Amino acid sequence: ILNVEQSPQSLHVQEGDSTNFTCSFPSSNFYALHWYRWETAKSPEALFVMTLNGDEKKKGRISATLNTKEGYSYLYIKGSQPEDSATYLCAFSNYQLIWGAGTKLIIKP
Amino acid sequence: GAGVSQTPSNKVTEKGKYVELRCDPISGHTALYWYRQSLGQGPEFLIYFQGTGAADDSGLPNDRFFAVRPEGSVSTLKIQRTERGDSAVYLCASSLTGQGGDEQFFGPGTRLTVL
Repeated sequence: ILNVEQSPQSLHVQEGDSTNFTCSFPSSNFYALHWYRWETAKSPEALFVMTLNGDEKKKGRISATLNTKEGYSYLYIKGSQPEDSATYLCAFSNYQLIWGAGTKLIIKP
Repeated sequence: GAGVSQTPSNKVTEKGKYVELRCDPISGHTALYWYRQSLGQGPEFLIYFQGTGAADDSGLPNDRFFAVRPEGSVSTLKIQRTERGDSAVYLCASSLTGQGGDEQFFGPGTRLTVL
């Protein structure tokens, strides 16, 4: 059984602070690791697709790192803004995505 | 439109009824996926189509669930004899080729409520 774990389950962060959270996944038979951002009543939006050990990707204030040997990825948000409030999901893939339960991020103004 | 669309956005039905959920993927995407998300959990894989054929239906929970994609574009997820436990958000996604590194583009989901 392939398990993807995310922590913490939820996170309250003051506006302007930086934060990070974790995704753990099986390190064997790795193909790709996806990060998605999902706001209530909207479609999940892809942030990053990462395939190589040591990959680091960045989009604006959001970045992610990947360690395929030990099976974890970190997502970082620098200088959190209220619009960053969402659930951040990671998923491990061969072709189907195996999802973590997400980290619900709430930014307090 | 350019994105994945799903209809209806909300469906309320009674226990025992039959429902159909529709997904319109991005034009030209060969791969189509159905997922379901129950409250407090991550999305759960149901079925994956490559073209017209179901390449992997191992996530369908039982034989009340069935999905088709007859022309390799629009897909319909069919649920017979619905049960209260079927209540969830049903998400559809498509990707260009179906390879693991492909980005999957999601529709807004159909929220199914079985009373």
